[in-house]
Amino acid sequence: QVQLQESGPGLVKPSETLSLTCDIYGYSISSGYYWGWLRQPPGKGLEWIGDIFHNGITDYTPSLKSRVTISVDTSKNQVSLRLSSVTAADTAVYYCARLCRSGDCFDYWGQGTLVIVSS
Amino acid sequence: DIQMTQSPSSLSASVGDRVTITCRASQSVSSSLNWYQHKLGKAPKLLIYAVSILQSGVPSRFSGSGSETDFTLTISSLQPEDFATYYCQQSDSTPPTFGQGTKLEIK
Repeated sequence: QVQLQESGPGLVKPSETLSLTCDIYGYSISSGYYWGWLRQPPGKGLEWIGDIFHNGITDYTPSLKSRVTISVDTSKNQVSLRLSSVTAADTAVYYCARLCRSGDCFDYWGQGTLVIVSS
Repeated sequence: DIQMTQSPSSLSASVGDRVTITCRASQSVSSSLNWYQHKLGKAPKLLIYAVSILQSGVPSRFSGSGSETDFTLTISSLQPEDFATYYCQQSDSTPPTFGQGTKLEIK
């Protein structure tokens, strides 16, 4: 059974960089699939941030592209997210997820981790 | 970006009821429409992909239909474990976008 678990600081100061990791269990990243990050601000809908293939190919949502870096560490079976120059608008629950083989859906998700941007 | 609009935003129903949630896209998404179930504090769960294909392990009381811009998720007979928030998502064009959610509550 594939399981994903997000972790990282729950509080980040404005203008700093948010860094999260997603540990993947039950599946080796090196075997394939795209792995994505999404977020949900309080009271708002889900937003796709971007995704990465095991070989490092990435795709980002245009609105965040200048501030986002998604990376993969196959030795640790982890995917990471960095979001720079954060503001209060980046406060959200952040999820990692595996894209379906077709790339058209998200078939496994983590429980999410809340990140609050505040001084 | 394609806007996805769900209705209703919340719904009260009883165990055994038949429930339908609708999702409308701002432009055609062909058959690239997925549904998720989310319970607070848990990982979202893929229910249906490509409009009507049940993800492995999803009970047959869930079904999906529609095309182009109008889609529905139907639960034929609500069970206690079905009370959750449901989201539609289009994957026809990048970025993938989600509806705002429909919260299904116990009446």
